[in-house]
Amino acid sequence: KAGVTQTPRYLIKTRGQQVTLSCSPISGHRSVSWYQQTPGQGLQFLFEYFSETQRNKGNFPGRFSGRQFSNSRSEMNVSTLELGDSALYLCASRQTWTLSFRAFNEKLFFGSGTQLSVL
Amino acid sequence: GNSVTQMEGPVTLSEEAFLTINCTYTATGYPSLFWYVQYPGEGLQLLLKATKADDKGSNKGFEATYRKETTSFHLEKGSVQVSDSAVYFCALTSSGTYKYIFGTGTRLKVLA
Repeated sequence: KAGVTQTPRYLIKTRGQQVTLSCSPISGHRSVSWYQQTPGQGLQFLFEYFSETQRNKGNFPGRFSGRQFSNSRSEMNVSTLELGDSALYLCASRQTWTLSFRAFNEKLFFGSGTQLSVL
Repeated sequence: GNSVTQMEGPVTLSEEAFLTINCTYTATGYPSLFWYVQYPGEGLQLLLKATKADDKGSNKGFEATYRKETTSFHLEKGSVQVSDSAVYFCALTSSGTYKYIFGTGTRLKVLA
C-alpha cells in the first residue's frame, strides 16, 4: 500500500505570492490533517478534513486555507506569503471510518513534507 | 487548553548509553499519549502509545509509561544505537477534538 504522498517536495517563493501544496492520503483513509513544522515551534496544527469537511482548525490566519476532494486528496493554500511562512509542511492521514469515541487515538501516517522557503 | 512540554535538545549520547526524554502534559479528561519519531528527511512515524493511566507503551526497545499522578509520559531506552539518532515528539489527543497536540520535539544524536 502506498504511503502518504506530498508534492512538491521543495518550493521557493517570494513574499506576496501564493502557494498550493498537495497531499494524497493512504488509500482508504478519510481524514487528512496538516501541520507546520519549524525549528523553534515544533509541529503546529493547521487543520483537519474528514469527508470533504473541515473538522478542526488551528490558530493560523485566514491566509492559510485548505480543502479535501471526494477521493480524500487534500490541498493546502497559503496566500500573500510572508517570510515567517518558511517551514516544512506535513500532511498526515488516518482511517477514521467512524466518528466513534475511540477514533481519536488512531495513529497518524505522515508524508515526507513540502519544504517551503519564502524569500 | 491542552498542551505538551518536552525537554529541550539536543541530547547527545554515546552508543549503549541510557536514554530519557522527559514529557509532561496538561489536558482535561483522559487523553491518549504518543511518541512519534522523525528520521532525517522523513515525516513522523508512530513509535509507541498509551491510552490510559498506568499503561506502558513499548516498541524497538523504547518504553514510556502513562503517569496520571505526575502528568508525564517520559521516553526511555536502555541502550541507544547510532540508528536511533532522530527527533522525538511527544503528543496527546483527547476525545471529542480529534486534534493531536505535539511537543516541540527533542533531537537525539548518538555517537559511535
